[in-house]
Amino acid sequence: IVLTQSPGTLSLSPGDTAILSCRASQSVRNNYVTWYQQKPGQAPRLLIYRASSRATGIPDRFSASGSGTDFTLTINRLEPEDFAVYYCQQFGTSPFDFGQGTRLEI
Amino acid sequence: QAQLVSSGGGVIQPGRSLRLSCVGSEIDFSGHGMHWVRQGRGKGLEWVGLIWYDGSKTYYTDSVKGRFTISRDNSKKTVSLQMDSLRAEDTGIYYCAKYDGTPAAYDIWGQGMLVTVSS
Repeated sequence: IVLTQSPGTLSLSPGDTAILSCRASQSVRNNYVTWYQQKPGQAPRLLIYRASSRATGIPDRFSASGSGTDFTLTINRLEPEDFAVYYCQQFGTSPFDFGQGTRLEI
Repeated sequence: QAQLVSSGGGVIQPGRSLRLSCVGSEIDFSGHGMHWVRQGRGKGLEWVGLIWYDGSKTYYTDSVKGRFTISRDNSKKTVSLQMDSLRAEDTGIYYCAKYDGTPAAYDIWGQGMLVTVSS
């Protein structure tokens, strides 16, 4: 399954709303899509699992939805610490590939 | 604090071998699959492979099949990535990650190890 994320780069300001897309080349079994945030020099951090469930400790500004082949991560009221790279990944079918990432920049 | 501590990265010549390891601390290591993910310099995340919780099965991405081998020792809470016939394109940061089937996601990542394949 190929995951295509769009846009590649998203330029926004603090307080704005970010909408990130992840489209799969075929339906993801059980909607097993996760979203990660990665900052420079750090390992990725789990944000969302099973397409729409927030991981422990993730603010409710982060929300996600989707099913089948189309998945969306929404970040409301952007904070300065939200500017990072975001990846989606599917665990429906091996190989468990990632999307190419969306860079969210100020 | 639950964590994965990595070791084994470094600079290696093309065609040579290198072994990476991750040790789990304060985690239910033997009950979960373990994965390896890598990231080329300035590039995105790439899934490398996985090993089942009991070591009975392994899966790899096509570009490393036949060259990389994942193994684990649950008694030592250790997962290893044996990398043979290394190529320049294998250069990058390698992460081990614990897979939790309940959320179906990686809930713990190692700190990452830099592997540089260069003559």
